[in-house]
Amino acid sequence: KNEVEQSPQNLTAQEGEFITINCSYSVGISALHWLQQHPGGGIVSLFMLSSGKKKHGRLIATINIQEKHSSLHITASHPRDSAVYICAVPGSSGDKLTFGTGTRLAVRP
Amino acid sequence: DAGVIQSPRHEVTEMGQEVTLRCKPISGHNSLFWYRQTMMRGLELLIYFNNNVPIDDSGMPEDRFSAKMPNASFSTLKIQPSEPRDSAVYFCASSLGRRDTEAFFGQGTRLTVV
Repeated sequence: KNEVEQSPQNLTAQEGEFITINCSYSVGISALHWLQQHPGGGIVSLFMLSSGKKKHGRLIATINIQEKHSSLHITASHPRDSAVYICAVPGSSGDKLTFGTGTRLAVRP
Repeated sequence: DAGVIQSPRHEVTEMGQEVTLRCKPISGHNSLFWYRQTMMRGLELLIYFNNNVPIDDSGMPEDRFSAKMPNASFSTLKIQPSEPRDSAVYFCASSLGRRDTEAFFGQGTRLTVV
């Protein structure tokens, strides 16, 4: 089973700060997912990436397959970015996900 | 498409009662997943279906839990009898079922067993 570790577990930032959340996993994969869970509870898929970097608005995700590591960056953070960010990796058949414990982000105005 | 639809959004029930959670996946998606989220254990896969067939139910905690997918547009997760430790948020997700495709989550059902 793939072990997925995220850091930090909790993060508080001031509005406008650059934020980085890290994810490491133990078994090689073909793709990694970043998810966002808002205080209301719903889960939204942010990125699925298998190499390099992806960007969507102020969010940037990078992955290094060789080092088994991914980062999620948020530029110019805003209070509405406050959420739990979860990374997840698929099993060997590429479908069911194993989740990290999540990073709880609070952005203060 | 309205996305993955789960019902009910909230359920409060007494210990020993039967609970049924429902999920409608996105049309055209071949894989459906049931996850449970608790403070202690985070998100865990309970069971997943591909083309309506259960593929992996190793995450189902006990025989009290059962899941069905009678057709491509509907799945249920049933707990009978329910216990307080089953209190959690249960998520349903669906995907195209091909390798490394994005999963779309429902809003979840918050279950409280008292």
